[in-house]
Amino acid sequence: GAVVSQHPSRVICKSGTSVKIECRSLDFQATTMFWYRQFPKQSLMLMATSNEGSKATYEQGVEKDKFLINHASLTLSTLTVTSAHPEDSSFYICSARAGVTGVSEAFFGQGTRLTVV
Amino acid sequence: AQTVTQSQPEMSVQEAETVTLSCTYDTSENNYYLFWYKQPPSRQMILVIRQEAYKQQNATENRFSVNFQKAAKSFSLKISDSQLGDTAMYFCAFLGNQFYFGTGTSLTVIP
Repeated sequence: GAVVSQHPSRVICKSGTSVKIECRSLDFQATTMFWYRQFPKQSLMLMATSNEGSKATYEQGVEKDKFLINHASLTLSTLTVTSAHPEDSSFYICSARAGVTGVSEAFFGQGTRLTVV
Repeated sequence: AQTVTQSQPEMSVQEAETVTLSCTYDTSENNYYLFWYKQPPSRQMILVIRQEAYKQQNATENRFSVNFQKAAKSFSLKISDSQLGDTAMYFCAFLGNQFYFGTGTSLTVIP
């Protein structure tokens, strides 16, 4: 299957700082990227959907000014957690789709474990 | 918005037996995909099986098969000849304009 690389796999940052997570599709063009947050023993909660070259569509309850998503190219999307706080500590996963609707499946990155201290 | 519901938070099955995991979804879209993913402790998402909504035939992958009932918006997963390595969290997922996941079912295969 197609490969999606997510980096870093683990990051520890101080409260109040920002951290950027990258999601790259290595062997296909990702028209759409999905970003998720997962708490222990819970499901993947969709945070936002981004289409290349467009603004991300955020799910209800997700602060778009806190979780900045950029999808500037067909192989790279980034999630920046701004002014991180301990409650932002979680597992973040990206998924990349080679198409907009109806003609594709999606592939996952390995995930990023964020710890805010 | 689409919703995906898994009504069984935990299930267990004896090794070599068969188990069925339930999933229902709600959508107004006509063109979509449905998936079952397995998530081991490593948290890497592993695709188990997928179903295109326009196909009436149920998908099958070795020991894994689905019962897709489009009118009822139901998409259950059957695991035959359960193996110890099948122990994991299983998520049902809907891919249309967005990509939503169910709440998950923790499956334990008992030796």
